Amino acid sequence: GAVVSQHPSWVICKSGTSVKIECRSLDFQATTMFWYRQFPKQSLMLMATSNEGSKATYEQGVEKDKFLINHASLTLSTLTVTSAHPEDSSFYICSSEGQGNEQFFGPGTRLTVL
Amino acid sequence: KQEVTQIPAALSVPEGENLVLNCSFTDSAIYNLQWFRQDPGKGLTSLLLIQSSQREQTSGRLNASLDKSSGRSTLYIAASQPGDSATYLCAVSPDSSYKLIFGSGTRLLVRP
Repeated sequence: GAVVSQHPSWVICKSGTSVKIECRSLDFQATTMFWYRQFPKQSLMLMATSNEGSKATYEQGVEKDKFLINHASLTLSTLTVTSAHPEDSSFYICSSEGQGNEQFFGPGTRLTVL
Repeated sequence: KQEVTQIPAALSVPEGENLVLNCSFTDSAIYNLQWFRQDPGKGLTSLLLIQSSQREQTSGRLNASLDKSSGRSTLYIAASQPGDSATYLCAVSPDSSYKLIFGSGTRLLVRP
């Protein structure tokens, strides 16, 4: 199957700083990527749909000014958590559309905000 | 609003046992349903995808069924192994947009 990578795999930052997470499709082009958030022992919640060359579509309750998404190329989408606070600590996972309605998921990024 | 529920939340079985994981969804108008595996601190691995027109899919020791009208799916794991220990997630797609709505998962522990 297709490979999706995320960088970094984990990050610790101070409250008030901004953190950028990258999601790359390594061997295919992805017009659409998705960003999910997963709190401990909970399921994945879709945050936003990232569309190459256009604005992201955010799910209800997700602050677009806090979670900035940029999909500048067909192989890269970035999620920037601005002015991070401890409640933003979570596991962030991206995925990319594939053929046959499949999605390919990245390995995730663990964010800890102190 | 579509809601996906998985029962049980956790399951512990001895090695070799056959087991069934359950997934239910409130809106039967789905495009497809997928089962994923997630190891601790890792991303997701797709196990099986069932289109809305299909009744089941099989891969090795795994068999997933779908009863759209009743809003249910089951994942059957035959002859369980310790390496099967992981969290199993069920997700439905409401349309062809690739959007997925996940259940909260079943944490499976297979004891040697």
